[in-house]
Amino acid sequence: SAVISQKPSRDICQRGTSLTIQCQVDSQVTMMFWYRQQPGQSLTLIATANQGSEATYESGFVIDKFPISRPNLTFSTLTVSNMSPEDSSIYLCSGDSYNEQFFGPGTRLTVL
Amino acid sequence: GENVEQHPSTLSVQEGDSAVIKCTYSDSASNYFPWYKQELGKRPQLIIDIRSNVGEKKDQRIAVTLNKTAKHFSLHITETQPEDSAVYFCAASPDNYGQNFVFGPGTRLSVLP
Repeated sequence: SAVISQKPSRDICQRGTSLTIQCQVDSQVTMMFWYRQQPGQSLTLIATANQGSEATYESGFVIDKFPISRPNLTFSTLTVSNMSPEDSSIYLCSGDSYNEQFFGPGTRLTVL
Repeated sequence: GENVEQHPSTLSVQEGDSAVIKCTYSDSASNYFPWYKQELGKRPQLIIDIRSNVGEKKDQRIAVTLNKTAKHFSLHITETQPEDSAVYFCAASPDNYGQNFVFGPGTRLSVLP
């Protein structure tokens, strides 16, 4: 199975600022994804991070708010832009390995 | 798009009893159905999955059944233990790589000693 790490593990940010979350996989994966999980809630897919091309966003999520990069098959970043308190959540990345999807530990974001 | 419902939202069982969690999905094109376990403050962990060419799959104390006609699938945990206490999420996807991976709302399972 793939091992996925994320940085930072948590952060407290001021309204109006931006935060970039990094996701590193210990092996090449075909697909990488970014999810949001509100406390006590389920996981909502934000976008699929495509290597070498623009990310594919789900309904309700836009590139200007959540720009994503994926420069290679083991690394991706998610930026939460112009943050507001409503962006406070856990952000998780995931990647597929041998037809199974594995998750990173998550980044707990609090926006004041 | 796909919609996944999950029941019950909370479930308490005595240690050693069985637990069953049921999910329904709406998109007949979905053909991959994983189950994840998430302990408090931890990442979701894949515990078992099933693909649409299989009706049932078992792994030790955990089993999953799938009824494609009725569009529902279930997680069965036998001989529950306190360490089974967690939130369980089902999900549905139209393909093995999880495009448009849609999760159910989750079931909080408590196993009472």
